[in-house]
Amino acid sequence: DTGVSQNPRHKITKRGQNVTFRCDPISEHNRLYWYRQTLGQGPEFLTYFQNEAQLEKSRLLSDRFSAERPKGSFSTLEIQRTEQGDSAMYLCASSTGQGQETQYFGPGTRLLVL
Amino acid sequence: AQSVTQLDSQVPVFEEAPVELRCNYSSSVSVYLFWYVQYPNQGLQLLLKYLSGSTLVESINGFEAEFNKSQTSFHLRKPSVHISDTAEYFCAVSRGYSGGSNYKLTFGKGTLLTVNP
Repeated sequence: DTGVSQNPRHKITKRGQNVTFRCDPISEHNRLYWYRQTLGQGPEFLTYFQNEAQLEKSRLLSDRFSAERPKGSFSTLEIQRTEQGDSAMYLCASSTGQGQETQYFGPGTRLLVL
Repeated sequence: AQSVTQLDSQVPVFEEAPVELRCNYSSSVSVYLFWYVQYPNQGLQLLLKYLSGSTLVESINGFEAEFNKSQTSFHLRKPSVHISDTAEYFCAVSRGYSGGSNYKLTFGKGTLLTVNP
């Protein structure tokens, strides 16, 4: 069990650029969640995958955001035409997929949009 | 939909003093409740959780929380804190079991616990 990993850990970009983040969940975890955390706030749910199927998206996830989980393994979160308001910590979590079980969080990717 | 209120954004205490971090939730359905801890420059770690059964749950490092359904609360307590407990603590809620698969968490804004010598 190597834990949930996220890459990159930090990303600085200019407004209008596209960015992509990667999350590698714990092996054999079927469920994968993305959250966003801004300064002074708790994490907020963005989207959820059960294996490769994206089953729910938050209203926070505008059309500029897209997430994928090909083959039900790693996941990517892409933000197109970044805005300064996208600056946040993006967190990924995974769980086994058996009822309510612990969500294990990765260290996050901190995005700064200049 | 669920919501979580953490009443204190910051709690400073002295080492070996008791501490209580307050958490209230709102939900129209049954819930599961969690406390996560985030140490400086680290990711979120589960501290303890209530799913069912005994309303008093404990962590391995001396924290405990009690689920109070009538008061919709899940306060976190520790009788004697250490400097190493300095961290941000997040209370979170998910819907209880209903046959679906999405147990997304709704978090409070967090409480920064600072333990001073």
